Amino acid sequence: DTAVSQTPKYLVTQMGNDKSIKCEQNLGHDTMYWYKQDSKKFLKIMFSYNNKELIINETVPNRFSPKSPDKAHLNLHINSLELGDSAVYFCASSQNDRDTQYFGPGTRLTVL
Amino acid sequence: GIQVEQSPPDLILQEGANSTLRCNFSDSVNNLQWFHQNPWGQLINLFYIPSGTKQNGRLSATTVATERYSLLYISSSQTTDSGVYFCAVRAGGATNKLIFGTGTLLAVQP
Repeated sequence: DTAVSQTPKYLVTQMGNDKSIKCEQNLGHDTMYWYKQDSKKFLKIMFSYNNKELIINETVPNRFSPKSPDKAHLNLHINSLELGDSAVYFCASSQNDRDTQYFGPGTRLTVL
Repeated sequence: GIQVEQSPPDLILQEGANSTLRCNFSDSVNNLQWFHQNPWGQLINLFYIPSGTKQNGRLSATTVATERYSLLYISSSQTTDSGVYFCAVRAGGATNKLIFGTGTLLAVQP
């Protein structure tokens, strides 16, 4: 059984488009996260939600908007995509905001 | 903010060799995790180890929180151990923001 899943796995799109990435966890965790891994493999947190409430919002362009419809889901919507948005986006979850984090398989976004 | 440095940046091993990867951090931490990112990009939890020593098969980890470092030991390496190894820490404070190190790229040759 997949613990943290993301869709799609790959996303190729043109500059200026709007796209969404979905994340679901079946671990019963309260906290979910989005991380971005750039071309040099550097991983950095973008957002975190605890019980559907935003608790971490790093310095991310406001073209990125997370949405948590319930505790098990955290989606990432990106408006007006730019070349620099190309990266791998990872979703993660943890039991609470202090516990071990478990990562999804990642979504490779390519903006042409 | 807290800085996390890993060494070495790259490592090539022959199958069967042992290795030690190091993670240094610049401030006290409440959480430290080691991950393996395999060649397919998947991030796999290895250890949750804010302090002390843990072992899991051929892998073990030790964190000395007072001296601000952690070590990951890989014994009898196999080609499937290839990939990037990350340590990530959470500094004190109210939020569980993991700060990742720069990673160690490991290649195990047959």
